[in-house]
Amino acid sequence: AQSVAQPEDQVNVAEGNPLTVKCTYSVSGNPYLFWYVQYPNRGLQFLLKYITGDNLVKGSYGFEAEFNKSQTSFHLKKPSALVSDSALYFCAVKGGSYIPTFGRGTSLIVHP
Amino acid sequence: DGGITQSPKYLFRKEGQNVTLSCEQNLNHDAMYWYRQDPGQGLRLIYYSQIVNDFQKGDIAEGYSVSREKKESFPLTVTSAQKNPTAFYLCATTAGGSSYEQYFGPGTRLTVT
Repeated sequence: AQSVAQPEDQVNVAEGNPLTVKCTYSVSGNPYLFWYVQYPNRGLQFLLKYITGDNLVKGSYGFEAEFNKSQTSFHLKKPSALVSDSALYFCAVKGGSYIPTFGRGTSLIVHP
Repeated sequence: DGGITQSPKYLFRKEGQNVTLSCEQNLNHDAMYWYRQDPGQGLRLIYYSQIVNDFQKGDIAEGYSVSREKKESFPLTVTSAQKNPTAFYLCATTAGGSSYEQYFGPGTRLTVT
């Protein structure tokens, strides 16, 4: 079985400060890891993925994520947060199963 | 959201009525998925289809049905057997090959009273 945990329901950060949204996973075999963003009443948008290779993955809108195999984590980061980054963020993992499993989501609030 | 359309955006139904949610894609993707989203519960998989004329139950298929007669279309019917149908429904596709990321439609918010 595969699973994803996003331990924080909400993350608050001031504009201009760095942000981190946490994700840990459990999967058999090599993981495929994803981050998505959702704005209110919209579908999810793909941000970035880790399949193989460099542990630091860069994605859309200045976001990046670091794959840490020993800690089974894939935290989403951004050096300088914008108010427009405020949204719901989902981590997902796909292992041997064809279908990815999503976390419960973390609400990011960036304060002006 | 480009390439995947879901209609309508908002849907209201009376309890006991079946309702069909539309999902159409022009991305030429083989795999299509239906998810249900409730506040604080993330995305839960209802049904998925990897190829035309074939589909599989997800984690919460009870009270739902689907068809996949065309590659472009994957409609979801919410039947009267679904005990708590009010939710936000999302359709998604996957390109296949080495592209495992999913592409999502804009969603349909269903309210049943």
